[in-house]
Amino acid sequence: DAGVTQSPTHLIKTRGQHVTLRCSPISGHKSVSWYQQVLGQGPQFIFQYYEKEERGRGNFPDRFSARQFPNYSSELNVNALLLGDSALYLCASSWRLAGFFTDTQYFGPGTRLTVL
Amino acid sequence: ELKVEQNPLFLSMQEGKNYTIYCNYSTTSDRLYWYRQDPGKSLESLFVLLSNGAVKQEGRLMASLDTKARLSTLHITAAVHDLSATYFCAANSGGGADGLTFGKGTHLIIQP
Repeated sequence: DAGVTQSPTHLIKTRGQHVTLRCSPISGHKSVSWYQQVLGQGPQFIFQYYEKEERGRGNFPDRFSARQFPNYSSELNVNALLLGDSALYLCASSWRLAGFFTDTQYFGPGTRLTVL
Repeated sequence: ELKVEQNPLFLSMQEGKNYTIYCNYSTTSDRLYWYRQDPGKSLESLFVLLSNGAVKQEGRLMASLDTKARLSTLHITAAVHDLSATYFCAANSGGGADGLTFGKGTHLIIQP
């Protein structure tokens, strides 16, 4: 079975630009979460979507937004990119709403975003 | 606000030795996760610990949870080079949908 997939794998943008990252969850999983991992740090929670609705949000500015589609895939959008947005962006999927249930979150390979 | 602290952050050890990684968390959490990350790779789930006193073992790794002390440990027995990686613990602030809070990770190097 395919795991969580993300695209693109690498991306280079300049300050002020906009970026869209994509994630496809494991088949049958309805929850998708997004995390930002800065080099040398642990992942930091950005959003969780379940059944196409935002169910949780971390401490990130409004420049960060996301959505989930009817097929449970998800997009993360970041506007007005800053140098500090350079990071590995990880998508994780779980069968049910992570946090309310004990389902393991399975992580995708990530998208490495570099902002110049 | 839930905070998760790991120590040590860096560990270099020899093959065949035993060692323990510690994970403290600041507020009540009803579950604790351990993940492994290889350089340039994503996170691989190792253990989910759900209750006080829970102990899980997989090969040379054993994880335990003490919810009263708000402490989880990851014990490595007779380390081998293949276990070299960064290990993260993560907790969830009980019952919310706000995702996992991760520690900074323990960068483990196992030398022959």
